[in-house]
Amino acid sequence: AQSVTQPDIHITVSEGASLELRCNYSYGATPYLFWYVQSPGQGLQLLLKYFSGDTLVQGIKGFEAEFKRSQSSFNLRKPSVHWSDSAEYLCAVVLLREAGTALIFGKGTTLSVSS
Amino acid sequence: DSGVTQTPKHLITATGQRVTLRCSPRSGDLSVYWYQQSLDQGLQFLIQYYNGEERAKGNILERFSAQQFPDLHSELNLSSLELGDSALYFCASSVSESGLYEQYFGPGTRLTVT
Repeated sequence: AQSVTQPDIHITVSEGASLELRCNYSYGATPYLFWYVQSPGQGLQLLLKYFSGDTLVQGIKGFEAEFKRSQSSFNLRKPSVHWSDSAEYLCAVVLLREAGTALIFGKGTTLSVSS
Repeated sequence: DSGVTQTPKHLITATGQRVTLRCSPRSGDLSVYWYQQSLDQGLQFLIQYYNGEERAKGNILERFSAQQFPDLHSELNLSSLELGDSALYFCASSVSESGLYEQYFGPGTRLTVT
């Protein structure tokens, strides 16, 4: 069955340090992958997406992600985090069906940025 | 602000009761998705509507139902509520029925069943 795994439940990094959040997927066909960020009391906001082409994709807020088919991974990175990056990060894969679609989410990684 | 509105923000009710959650999509979006977020299950897809018609179903319980009205707003009805239904319920909208377009999420409705 299709699934998304985010192995790290909670990560703490110092402000200014680099960040990598891991995401692994299980999907038989070509995956369409997303990273969303969720701040407390707010909905989810799309950071970036990968459909095809260049395996390194750039997103908003200085984030980037790299698709590695051989490792079934789509890890999110940022070279220097800010305290405002503290939030929940969710990786998702699109499940295409005969009719309609669904997003399958990982359980998320909570990022805490310490000053 | 994503442009997707959800009401109410918070809802507290008792077991066995029935509630209705409402969602207004972004202007121009025809597709509405409902998700449930709980601590143990994470964010789970429930159901998708496109231009008034059901398109895709996830792990939605039989006690739950949804519909999308001609003005494109959507309602999620939860009945015979159980403690385990306590969760954050999100609505998202998209311009098309294809999941390849960005889904814009509302702020959610927090449901507490006591």
